[in-house]
Amino acid sequence: LAKTTQPISMDSYEGQEVNITCSHNNIATNDYITWYQQFPSQGPRFIIQGYKTKVTNEVASLFIPADRKSSTLSLPRVSLSDTAVYYCLVGDPDGGSQGNLIFGKGTKLSVKP
Amino acid sequence: DTAVSQTPKYLVTQMGNDKSIKCEQNLGHDTMYWYKQDSKKFLKIMFSYNNKELIINETVPNRFSPKSPDKAHLNLHINSLELGDSAVYFCASSQDYKGYGGYTFGSGTRLTVV
Repeated sequence: LAKTTQPISMDSYEGQEVNITCSHNNIATNDYITWYQQFPSQGPRFIIQGYKTKVTNEVASLFIPADRKSSTLSLPRVSLSDTAVYYCLVGDPDGGSQGNLIFGKGTKLSVKP
Repeated sequence: DTAVSQTPKYLVTQMGNDKSIKCEQNLGHDTMYWYKQDSKKFLKIMFSYNNKELIINETVPNRFSPKSPDKAHLNLHINSLELGDSAVYFCASSQDYKGYGGYTFGSGTRLTVV
């Protein structure tokens, strides 16, 4: 069964770059790595997805090393509205032909003025 | 609006009752899911349906049963509710069973069993 490790919480200040790393040393070789953001009383919201190397979109970047044993979500110049819980989602190598995706336990990011 | 919608948003009920949560998506996605989020905010998959066929069924009690009348709907029925069933239940959908392109989640149903 795939296991993931994320920091429980992180603090930052407005305008800083924030990097959140998820360690996952045993994941399915053919599955993407995905990150989600969740605000209180809302469902998780898709941020970014990648397979290897670096992916960038309008809100974040995702860095995945060649061995895919970790992934790092990078949020440039955070604002107060980025205060949320961030989850990584990876594939379980024991998930069979239909796959099984597992969420990390989440990192609570607090952005201060 | 294109979205995943689930009802009700809040559900308070007594132990032993039977209840249902409805979910609908109008995104044209092939796969729908039910997730449970406990008090520690951990997200665990319960079920997923791909083209009306159950493809993942985690170790959930058989008191929980998903029902999908068509590709756009995945309802969750819970029989003989227990205190430990209290949690937030999220419905989600994705283009395929691998979650490529990401999941779209509903806003959640907070179930409280008293």
